[in-house]
Amino acid sequence: DTGVSQDPRHKITKRGQNVTFRCDPISEHNRLYWYRQTLGQGPEFLTYFQNEAQLEKSRLLSDRFSAERPKGSFSTLEIQRTEQGDSAMYLCASSLGTGSMDEQYFGPGTRLTVT
Amino acid sequence: AQSVSQHNHHVILSEAASLELGCNYSYGGTVNLFWYVQYPGQHLQLLLKYFSGDPLVKGIKGFEAEFIKSKFSFNLRKPSVQWSDTAEYFCAVTTGGFKTIFGAGTRLFVKA
Repeated sequence: DTGVSQDPRHKITKRGQNVTFRCDPISEHNRLYWYRQTLGQGPEFLTYFQNEAQLEKSRLLSDRFSAERPKGSFSTLEIQRTEQGDSAMYLCASSLGTGSMDEQYFGPGTRLTVT
Repeated sequence: AQSVSQHNHHVILSEAASLELGCNYSYGGTVNLFWYVQYPGQHLQLLLKYFSGDPLVKGIKGFEAEFIKSKFSFNLRKPSVQWSDTAEYFCAVTTGGFKTIFGAGTRLFVKA
């Protein structure tokens, strides 16, 4: 399968712990996005990378959240000092193109449960 | 703030019925519009998109959507649904940057 992959698929953690998720985009895609999705809602934009540069970050992303994309390939999303409100599905998507009308290819997501 | 509204959260139809899912956005400038679909157990995938030209766009599996600028709408239609169309449908918009705003989604269930 050459699609977007995410690891782990499920993560259960205790409040206050740090967690890190990984996303491997489609290999030739230069753009990578992170979203959060809670029950009954659509994906909510968190951040966006073009190659290794983080170009846009949602104001919803608190200081506890950080994302990286070293070398413009895979990306990691870290949440420090997790809170119960962080429980959600975290989606990664990638795209190839030069404009804002690119089709985004989504991964299966990482479901985070904070107890 | 920009937003996307999907009018129906749940829709139940019988096979061969016609489908129309409403989507309205709030933004006065140039937009790119998308419909994504998530079939049970699968990833989100693109159904169709509009960025310029003919406001009636056709997508995969017989779906189409019409962009009506004056109404800030981008409704999704299909003349005759099948059981395999059971899925969750998301309308989304980008407004020149790369931030994509999604609606809350509409769950469609098609009875065989």
